[in-house]
Amino acid sequence: GAGVSQTPSNKVTEKGKYVELRCDPISGHTALYWYRQSLGQGPEFLIYFQGTGAADDSGLPNDRFFAVRPEGSVSTLKIQRTERGDSAVYLCASSLAREQFFGPGTRLTVL
Amino acid sequence: QKEVEQNSGPLSVPEGAIASLNCTYSDRGSQSFFWYRQYSGKSPELIMSIYSNGDKEDGRFTAQLNKASQYVSLLIRDSQPSDSATYLCAVKNAGGTSYGKLTFGQGTILTVHP
Repeated sequence: GAGVSQTPSNKVTEKGKYVELRCDPISGHTALYWYRQSLGQGPEFLIYFQGTGAADDSGLPNDRFFAVRPEGSVSTLKIQRTERGDSAVYLCASSLAREQFFGPGTRLTVL
Repeated sequence: QKEVEQNSGPLSVPEGAIASLNCTYSDRGSQSFFWYRQYSGKSPELIMSIYSNGDKEDGRFTAQLNKASQYVSLLIRDSQPSDSATYLCAVKNAGGTSYGKLTFGQGTILTVHP
């Protein structure tokens, strides 16, 4: 079956702009996770949803970051007033139980 | 102290040898342990999960868990050049549920040379 999909695959923006990153989980997976990965590092947790609600948002670095999952399927990660330090690969994963499966990621570059 | 620690490598092994990748973690409440493989420019791919002490084998891969020592390892037998990648150790303390965030190590770069 289809895996996790993420759009866009690449996003280049200018400092101060607003961006939205989209994740479409594996069909039927109730949990959805957002991570970000900088070069040479492991993924770093941002937020996860169980259904429509954010079950744990402890990894969001500040209030410029926000995520939604209004219908319990697709999720959007929103970043306001982007900074150069936000440049990273943003990974989405979904799960039905203990194992998490990752999408291809969105590479965000803030100039 | 990092929550999940891995030797960043690179670890270089000849084709056909056994590659041994190690990981230690600090949270004694951790319950679930995973190994992901990540090729350059790609996203992490789950290759092994282990939840109880001992060994778990799947093909050429064996995961080993020792909760008392807070140590998890991955052995790759008959290593192939196609195994060359970064291997990420991930740990979860889900408080008794199935869901929850993964905490990753920085990854070990493995190179298998012909």
